[in-house]
Amino acid sequence: GDSVTQMEGPVTLSEEAFLTINCTYTATGYPSLFWYVQYPGEGLQLLLKATKADDKGSNKGFEATYRKETTSFHLEKGSVQVSDSAVYFCALSDLGNQGGKLIFGQGTELSVKP
Amino acid sequence: GAGVSQSPSNKVTEKGKDVELRCDPISGHTALYWYRQSLGQGLEFLIYFQGNSAPDKSGLPSDRFSAERTGGSVSTLTIQRTQQEDSAVYLCASSLEGFAVQETQYFGPGTRLLVL
Repeated sequence: GDSVTQMEGPVTLSEEAFLTINCTYTATGYPSLFWYVQYPGEGLQLLLKATKADDKGSNKGFEATYRKETTSFHLEKGSVQVSDSAVYFCALSDLGNQGGKLIFGQGTELSVKP
Repeated sequence: GAGVSQSPSNKVTEKGKDVELRCDPISGHTALYWYRQSLGQGLEFLIYFQGNSAPDKSGLPSDRFSAERTGGSVSTLTIQRTQQEDSAVYLCASSLEGFAVQETQYFGPGTRLLVL
């Protein structure tokens, strides 16, 4: 079945450091890929998405490129801020699923220190 | 409303009791999803509604779990004879149509359930 694997955390970085959170997926069809973020004490919210191969999703300085050849959707940011501290979830939605349910990776906790 | 709302925000119950969790989706959204977030299992899909029908119930972990949706709007997730392993945060999400995989799902704040 479909699955998502993302790098384990926690990840601790200093402010202005470069961030990469790896995400790979397995899917039977042509999935859409998402990054959701959960800030402390808040609900899940969409960070960015990409719906087909080679698409790049971007938002708030974060970006991720849908790589079909490597089945990956790694999240990157050039210079993190303390306010980026959160848990990040990679997810997919596949036409093989009824209704587009999301399948999530296990989440990666990011802590950014000043 | 402006977003997805859920109630209660927290629920503490004793093992063996039944609980009901409520979700109010964004107005006009026909698709509604329930997920569960727990330390051991991460974020898991439970059930999907398209209107009032549930074409995908594949994530419900046992027959103690059931859900319904009425009027194409509010949904209730019911857990009967709760067990300690049911302790988790239950998340509800909605999307405009549900048929397109690229649709964004909007999540509520969740109900934190603790079974003693």
